[in-house]
Amino acid sequence: SQKIEQNSEALNIQEGKTATLTCNYTNYSPAYLQWYRQDPGRGPVFLLLIRENEKEKRKERLKVTFDTTLKQSLFHITASQPADSATYLCALANDYKLSFGAGTTVTVRA
Amino acid sequence: GAVVSQHPSWVICKSGTSVKIECRSLDFQATTMFWYRQFPKQSLMLMATSNEGSKATYEQGVEKDKFLINHASLTLSTLTVTSAHPEDSSFYICSARDPGTEYSNQPQHFGDGTRLSIL
Repeated sequence: SQKIEQNSEALNIQEGKTATLTCNYTNYSPAYLQWYRQDPGRGPVFLLLIRENEKEKRKERLKVTFDTTLKQSLFHITASQPADSATYLCALANDYKLSFGAGTTVTVRA
Repeated sequence: GAVVSQHPSWVICKSGTSVKIECRSLDFQATTMFWYRQFPKQSLMLMATSNEGSKATYEQGVEKDKFLINHASLTLSTLTVTSAHPEDSSFYICSARDPGTEYSNQPQHFGDGTRLSIL
């Protein structure tokens, strides 16, 4: 069966450091992989999308990599800030449907 | 940017009640909307795809008679939880695709969810 695993449920880091989140998947061949941010009691907010033929995507302090051989995506938050504290979800997409991982909650300490 | 509004944000009601949740795309037309359910510390699970002017497509294991979906216009989809019971208590979130974005069919814009608590 299809499975999406995000490396850990929680990640605590010091302000200014880089947070690295992992998303691994099995029995999937996604055309796209997306990362969303979700704050408590709110809906997810889209951050980045990377296509299967792209290796890396950047947006400001965010960087995403996509390795279809390893079936893995890495999500990096550089120069982290307390405002980056949230749950980050990876989502795999074929056509229009998204399948989500359970998320990793990041806490950035000042 | 694209905004999806969901209402109400919180509902508490007695077992056996039917509850309607609205999802609106505010500044774009959405031919397709999606309904998800999220339990604490779990992933969003797609329940159904709502198609404007036609029947919704339900995911495996989701009771279509229990979760009624209506997508009567290009900006509004509703989810009605019929005869709700405590096990239906969850966080329900809708989303919509904005076909006017850079990507042909991604990403999705999410509402802020409805916390449903059945007593």
